[in-house]
Amino acid sequence: NAGVMQNPRHLVRRRGQEARLRCSPMKGHSHVYWYRQLPEEGLKFMVYLQKENIIDESGMPKERFSAEFPKEGPSILRIQQVVRGDSAAYFCASSHIPSRTQPVGELFFGEGSRLTVL
Amino acid sequence: AQSVTQLDSQVPVFEEAPVELRCNYSSSVSVYLFWYVQYPNQGLQLLLKYLSGSTLVKGINGFEAEFNKSQTSFHLRKPSVHISDTAEYFCARGYQKVTFGTGTKLQVIP
Repeated sequence: NAGVMQNPRHLVRRRGQEARLRCSPMKGHSHVYWYRQLPEEGLKFMVYLQKENIIDESGMPKERFSAEFPKEGPSILRIQQVVRGDSAAYFCASSHIPSRTQPVGELFFGEGSRLTVL
Repeated sequence: AQSVTQLDSQVPVFEEAPVELRCNYSSSVSVYLFWYVQYPNQGLQLLLKYLSGSTLVKGINGFEAEFNKSQTSFHLRKPSVHISDTAEYFCARGYQKVTFGTGTKLQVIP
């Protein structure tokens, strides 16, 4: 399966612990996006990354949340000192590099990581 | 800010009946519009997209959507739904930083 891979699919943490969510983009994709989906709500943009570079993090909470996409390995969304309000599904998507023939990259989504904070 | 609005949170429809899921977007010079489908406990899958050109866009699973600039709408339609179409549908817009609507749950009744 060459699709977007996210793990873990389910993660349970107690308040104050750290959560790390990983995302491997589709083969050939160098752009990664993280979205958060709260119950009964749509997806909210969090951050857009390329390899070793954060392009847009305007949707990331100012504290406790961070994201990286290293040269080697998956993209990681890290949530420190989790609180109950962080419980949500976190989706990763990837896209190809926009080009003249394909100026808009279709987003390919993983199946999500569902975080539950006790 | 660029936005999309899905007014209907739930749409029940009988099997083999037609369906329309509504989406309106805030006006902008250039608009890239998408419809995604999400089945329970899964990620989102692209149904169709409008980038430019023909205003009637055909997608997978028999869905189509029409880009209407004057009404700033991009409604999703299917002439005859199947039980397997039961899912949540999201309208979205944007380029790289994609903005999603709040979703419409389509419930197909046997």
